[in-house]
Amino acid sequence: GAVVSQHPSWVICKSGTSVKIECRSLDFQATTMFWYRQFPKQSLMLMATSNEGSKATYEQGVEKDKFLINHASLTLSTLTVTSAHPEDSSFYICSASVGDSLGGYTFGSGTRLTVV
Amino acid sequence: GEDVEQSLFLSVREGDSSVINCTYTDSSSTYLYWYKQEPGAGLQLLTYIFSNMDMKQDQRLTVLLNKKDKHLSLRIADTQTGDSAIYFCAEWSSASKIIFGSGTRLSIRP
Repeated sequence: GAVVSQHPSWVICKSGTSVKIECRSLDFQATTMFWYRQFPKQSLMLMATSNEGSKATYEQGVEKDKFLINHASLTLSTLTVTSAHPEDSSFYICSASVGDSLGGYTFGSGTRLTVV
Repeated sequence: GEDVEQSLFLSVREGDSSVINCTYTDSSSTYLYWYKQEPGAGLQLLTYIFSNMDMKQDQRLTVLLNKKDKHLSLRIADTQTGDSAIYFCAEWSSASKIIFGSGTRLSIRP
C-alpha cells in the first residue's frame, strides 16, 4: 500500500536553531502534501498545504517565515522550523493524498520535536 | 465555520462493543473519516464513508452516517485491548481540507 515515510521520528534541538523534517512518499507520487501539528492531548491542526513546484498555502495564524515548507519533487516535502523556541515543541505529522480518491489519505508516523 | 466535535473519553469492557460518536457542521462534506492514533504514532486510516451512504461495514467496524443530523458514529465490535487508542473523526470540508475532531480516547477495562 501507499506509504509515507517521515523523518526524523524525534528530535531535540536548542533554542534558536533550525530543524528540518522530511516527508517522503515511497511508492507513489504526491502532488499535494499536508502538514499538521498536534499539541498534547489535542486534535490535529492543519498548518499548511504543500504543492509540488509551487508555494505552500498556509492556514491562518501559521507563520510562513517560521515554518518553511518546500515541495521540490513529487515524492518529497520538507518542513523547516526556523529559530525554534520551546513553544514550537510539538508533534508534527505529514500526510499525502493517494491517487484521486479523497478517501485515500495516508499519514507519516510523525515527528516529536522538543526544543530546549 | 467548520467544526467537528466528539467526546473526549470512552471506557468499555473487553469483549463489549464500543461506539464513538461525532458531529460535524459542514453540510457540504463529501467524505467523512475515522482515524486511529496509538501513542506516539501517526494516524492510521480506519475507514471512510461517502456522504451519500448511510452505513459501511468492514469486519469489526461499522460506520453509521446520519446526514440530516450531521452525526457520524464508529462501532467497534468485540473490543480488544489492542483497540486502546485515540480515535479521530474527520471531514473533508467544502474548503478542500480535512478538519479533525478533538479525538476520543478509548480505554479498555478487563
